[in-house]
Amino acid sequence: NAGVMQNPRHLVRRRGQEARLRCSPMKGHSHVYWYRQLPEEGLKFMVYLQKENIIDESGMPKERFSAEFPKEGPSILRIQQVVRGDSAAYFCASSPQVGSNQPQHFGDGTRLSIL
Amino acid sequence: SQQGEEDPQALSIQEGENATMNCSYKTSINNLQWYRQNSGRGLVHLILIRSNEREKHSGRLRVTLDTSKKSSSLLITASRAADTASYFCATDGDSNYQLIWGAGTKLIIKP
Repeated sequence: NAGVMQNPRHLVRRRGQEARLRCSPMKGHSHVYWYRQLPEEGLKFMVYLQKENIIDESGMPKERFSAEFPKEGPSILRIQQVVRGDSAAYFCASSPQVGSNQPQHFGDGTRLSIL
Repeated sequence: SQQGEEDPQALSIQEGENATMNCSYKTSINNLQWYRQNSGRGLVHLILIRSNEREKHSGRLRVTLDTSKKSSSLLITASRAADTASYFCATDGDSNYQLIWGAGTKLIIKP
């Protein structure tokens, strides 16, 4: 049973370009969470999605950032017009059910570098 | 703001010794989880402890929770080189799904 798959593992963009980060949750998991991690820091919650629905995007900047989890295909975190401050590791996690008593299963992240 | 804060920030011990990491949090919780992150990798769930539990074991791991002090500790016994990683605690606060993370403890096991 494959784990959470994220791609690409590394992504380099120039300022002003768009970055698309993909996440395929574990089989049978319909709840997806995106986090951002800066070096030597913990994770910061960005958005929680359930198939085709954004449940909570309170941790995501309102401008330039968007997320989706379509009925078919991976969840996508999209960053438009990237700036240097967007450089970070972005992690996706999934769970079969919602609840703070549910362990979250993580992918290995996408490391985004902005030139 | 950070809910969980781990200490120490970094810990270096000899293989075979025990490692203890602490986590403090600010608001009441329902559950607290500990995760491990190897360098360049994603986080791996280690153990979950509920607010009505005081202690939990899993193999060489022992987690305690003191809700009166709003703190938890993770003990790794008989450490191995493979335990070298960063360890994070995550709490739920008043959310059913949003986990709030500390900055982690970086553990180095010297062979």
